[in-house]
Amino acid sequence: GAGVSQSPSNKVTEKGKDVELRCDPISGHTALYWYRQSLGQGLEFLIYFQGNSAPDKSGLPSDRFSAERTGGSVSTLTIQRTQQEDSAVYLCASTLRGGANVLTFGAGSRLTVL
Amino acid sequence: AQSVTQLDSQVPVFEEAPVELRCNYSSSVSVYLFWYVQYPNQGLQLLLKYLSGSTLVKGINGFEAEFNKSQTSFHLRKPSVHISDTAEYFCAVTQIPTGGGNKLTFGTGTQLKVEL
Repeated sequence: GAGVSQSPSNKVTEKGKDVELRCDPISGHTALYWYRQSLGQGLEFLIYFQGNSAPDKSGLPSDRFSAERTGGSVSTLTIQRTQQEDSAVYLCASTLRGGANVLTFGAGSRLTVL
Repeated sequence: AQSVTQLDSQVPVFEEAPVELRCNYSSSVSVYLFWYVQYPNQGLQLLLKYLSGSTLVKGINGFEAEFNKSQTSFHLRKPSVHISDTAEYFCAVTQIPTGGGNKLTFGTGTQLKVEL
């Protein structure tokens, strides 16, 4: 597509439920990133994909968080047994492989855990 | 590891006045530097980037930034702001070499509020 598409744009869930957030990157972009944006915390790196593999998942905050990417395209971030502190905007970005290529961001998925 | 410090969380400024948003970074190796802008309810978009060469970098919407290696700074400037510049601005850094992926480390952001 023309840009990075994320869905849902807004998600309200109850504590303890599982949620899935989807990212559809720009066609041809082999690298994909997930960031979390919390109020006053800036952007926190979660995970990076090159193709379908994740060479850097160092930012995932706990084992409740997981992500996968299939076909070198769409990625899904899954949060199990959500907690209130998971409330944030989850941003996805994609880029051509490596180097100084600029990340193109999606508009984000706002997650609210009640 | 690298880190980014944005010294001001909020910067109020009157329209047509100049503005400077400060950014300092820390890294044990050479870096690429970026400024992104985020308008309300939107994703981030690139303002400008420093990769190499001239230390004064010009970006979109009249913004520019100067890379100062000795002071490890990359401050963003605009000589005359417009009301439409009201947004949150993020400084970001990535280490060189990038090993096939450029993981950006972001600062906490500076909210620029332009007033009439």
